[in-house]
Amino acid sequence: KQEVTQIPAALSVPEGENLVLNCSFTDSAIYNLQWFRQDPGKGLTSLLLIQSSQREQTSGRLNASLDKSSGRSTLYIAASQPGDSATYLCAVRTQGGSEKLVFGKGTKLTVNP
Amino acid sequence: SAVISQKPSRDICQRGTSLTIQCQVDSQVTMMFWYRQQPGQSLTLIATANQGSEATYESGFVIDKFPISRPNLTFSTLTVSNMSPEDSSIYLCSVPGGDGDYGYTFGSGTRLTVV
Repeated sequence: KQEVTQIPAALSVPEGENLVLNCSFTDSAIYNLQWFRQDPGKGLTSLLLIQSSQREQTSGRLNASLDKSSGRSTLYIAASQPGDSATYLCAVRTQGGSEKLVFGKGTKLTVNP
Repeated sequence: SAVISQKPSRDICQRGTSLTIQCQVDSQVTMMFWYRQQPGQSLTLIATANQGSEATYESGFVIDKFPISRPNLTFSTLTVSNMSPEDSSIYLCSVPGGDGDYGYTFGSGTRLTVV
């Protein structure tokens, strides 16, 4: 059974700092991994998706890496801004034809002005 | 990627009553997914809704408690029946597509509080 863990559960940083969010998964046989952002009481916004054959993806100040063999992914946020404050969720889709996503509990990020 | 309209955005309901949540997609999709996010927990898949067939429920979720309709390829409803305070959660629908059609797009969520 696939399990996804995100560390830390919460993170508070001053504006302008670079930071790294971590995601680990127990079954390395994944189809892809997706990072989402969730604002309080809201739905999910997709940030980056990494296919199992890829090592990283970049979008603006965000960079996500994937090490499938070790079961790890990181989300790097450069030059953080108060608007980046949200909960960041990692989700994996396991191989085998299942459309199911398995989510971590998320990292709650607060960027202080 | 698809755009999903989910209603209601939030509701406060009395225990023992039922609430129906709607998701409308701006394009035709074969599968729609319903998730629950309990306070402080990760998202958990409730069921997969395919048009023209019965929904497939995950372990721990049953049709009597969470009946789902899927009348066409752009619309689905999830009903939370005979509610109790433990049903207080955010409920989200999702469809494949987005990020080069390999990812998933989510609705804006329904924040349900049962009193």
